[in-house]
Amino acid sequence: GAGVSQTPSNKVTEKGKYVELRCDPISGHTALYWYRQSLGQGPEFLIYFQGTGAADDSGLPNDRFFAVRPEGSVSTLKIQRTERGDSAVYLCASSPNPGGYNEQFFGPGTRLTVL
Amino acid sequence: AQSVTQPDIHITVSEGASLELRCNYSYGATPYLFWYVQSPGQGLQLLLKYFSGDTLVQGIKGFEAEFKRSQSSFNLRKPSVHWSDAAEYFCAVGPYNQGGKLIFGQGTELSVKP
Repeated sequence: GAGVSQTPSNKVTEKGKYVELRCDPISGHTALYWYRQSLGQGPEFLIYFQGTGAADDSGLPNDRFFAVRPEGSVSTLKIQRTERGDSAVYLCASSPNPGGYNEQFFGPGTRLTVL
Repeated sequence: AQSVTQPDIHITVSEGASLELRCNYSYGATPYLFWYVQSPGQGLQLLLKYFSGDTLVQGIKGFEAEFKRSQSSFNLRKPSVHWSDAAEYFCAVGPYNQGGKLIFGQGTELSVKP
């Protein structure tokens, strides 16, 4: 079946602009996670959704970052007033059950470049 | 705070040789432990996981890992490396009762020479 998909695969923007990154999880997966992977680093947790609600947003670096999942499926990560330091690969993952440690299935990521 | 350390940034092994990638974690209790592999242009793929029980766990692609509580380690091993194993390997810890989020190490890049 289809895996986790993320669009766009690449996004180049200018400093100060607004961007939206989209994640389509595996159908039926109730848990959805966003991570950020900077060059040469491991993925860093940003936010976790259980259904429609953000169960843990402790990893969001500041209030320029926001994510939604209005219908409990697709999620959008929104970044306002982008800065060069936001450049990274943004990864999305989904899991069949919330709160547990079932396997997380990762998408290919969106590479964000802020000029 | 929970953390994961992968001491080796880059390792090169010959094809057919054995492999061990090191992982140490910092956590107050026994965490859930994972190894993921990331190939160029592909998403992270789970190799294996440890939750409890037998401390030697088997994964996909011939990989295994051993949990050693006394050393706070979860090293990944493979007896004979194939050229297709060249990739980035990440160790991760899942803190108990925190919704399933993962804390990753910095990663170890594996190169395989003929």
